Amino acid sequence: GQQLNQSPQSMFIQEGEDVSMNCTSSSIFNTWLWYKQDPGEGPVLLIALYKAGELTSNGRLTAQFGITRKDSFLNISASIPSDVGIYFCAGQWDGSQGNLIFGKGTKLSVKP
Amino acid sequence: DTAVSQTPKYLVTQMGNDKSIKCEQNLGHDTMYWYKQDSKKFLKIMFSYNNKELIINETVPNRFSPKSPDKAHLNLHINSLELGDSAVYFCASSQDLRGEWNEQFFGPGTRLTVL
Repeated sequence: GQQLNQSPQSMFIQEGEDVSMNCTSSSIFNTWLWYKQDPGEGPVLLIALYKAGELTSNGRLTAQFGITRKDSFLNISASIPSDVGIYFCAGQWDGSQGNLIFGKGTKLSVKP
Repeated sequence: DTAVSQTPKYLVTQMGNDKSIKCEQNLGHDTMYWYKQDSKKFLKIMFSYNNKELIINETVPNRFSPKSPDKAHLNLHINSLELGDSAVYFCASSQDLRGEWNEQFFGPGTRLTVL
């Protein structure tokens, strides 16, 4: 079945540092979504990508849809303590009937 | 103005019991989903409904039965609960199934603990 490999699994950084995480797949996806989950809450959509090569920003967040359609990365610049949480990539492929495949998440810890 | 709401937030019950989790969305979306998040935080889709019609059933045991009385509601009923059913269950909704209409909005989750 479809699988997404998300890395790193966890990150411990200092406030103010930049962060980068990525997802790869052996299959082609036509949509990449990036979510953040705070403790005790549901995932919240951060950025959605629909075209190969697309680069999209949302405040301090930047995400790109890889040219090969098999990967995506998320960058967070100048991290702050409220960036703490678990970040998930999710992908959808043609014919999936709405089925999103989620990566296993990147747990981000930010030290003030 | 909660977009996707779930009740209850926490559910603790004994093995063998039957329980239900309710989900409602006020976004006017046509598609709703149930996900299971295990202890390692892995999110996996269980079901999706589009306009009250079952679209996806991802090899979920028959003990799990979703019910969609209308487009705004998708409830999850679980029979004969087992220890392995303990997890956080998330409801989600999207405008439609495909492409940019499949931006899924998640509820706050229901933490189910089976003793």
